[in-house]
Amino acid sequence: QSVLTQSSSASASLGSSVKVTCTLGSGHTTNIIAWHQQQPGKAPRYLMRLEESGKYNRGSGVPDRFSGSSSGADRHLTISNVQFEDEGDYYCETWDSNILVFGGGTKVTVL
Amino acid sequence: QGRLVESGGGVVQPGGSLRLSCAASGFSISRYGVHWVRQAPGKGLEWLSLISYDGSTKYHADSVKGRITMSRDNPKNILSLQMNSLRMEDTAVYFCARLGAVVIDLWGQGTVVTVSS
Repeated sequence: QSVLTQSSSASASLGSSVKVTCTLGSGHTTNIIAWHQQQPGKAPRYLMRLEESGKYNRGSGVPDRFSGSSSGADRHLTISNVQFEDEGDYYCETWDSNILVFGGGTKVTVL
Repeated sequence: QGRLVESGGGVVQPGGSLRLSCAASGFSISRYGVHWVRQAPGKGLEWLSLISYDGSTKYHADSVKGRITMSRDNPKNILSLQMNSLRMEDTAVYFCARLGAVVIDLWGQGTVVTVSS
């Protein structure tokens, strides 16, 4: 079973909300994760750190439209009032057993 | 907040070597571990290695173990990644990234490595 699993795609209309989910595998469900955004042609950008409790800390300059939450093994990234510039790939990341693991990425499309 | 800038990428023949650098500004790198991550064209993020804040501890992914060497010069705020025996599948954008509180909290802009004959 993978440490991190993400759905491959999600979409949202301009101004609506979208939730992206990262699921931790069995034995890893208490892990802290991070969410990163990668806009087309750009380097990844750190969005937030998210704990099992649901506590999250946004990176410097990250709009408060981006929020995090947790439910069991699931770590969620919610983007409210979606903008065109939010389109891109979103990756979750966790450190586990001396290895850094990334989820496969979720491609978010803004309609 | 700080900034990381990678350099040293380029075109190299299969079997060749390359040395990448990661320069930090706006903060002291001596307080932080640093990851190296790469992204092949059209693919996701792949972790390569971690060097601890003082260089005493290093971890590597199996895909590059034995082929890479990490080092750091904290007084100069610079880190390096030496890659040997390069293969075509090593073609990617290479990023350095700062290890914050358990997770990456700062990325560089990346440097492109192309392995081609």
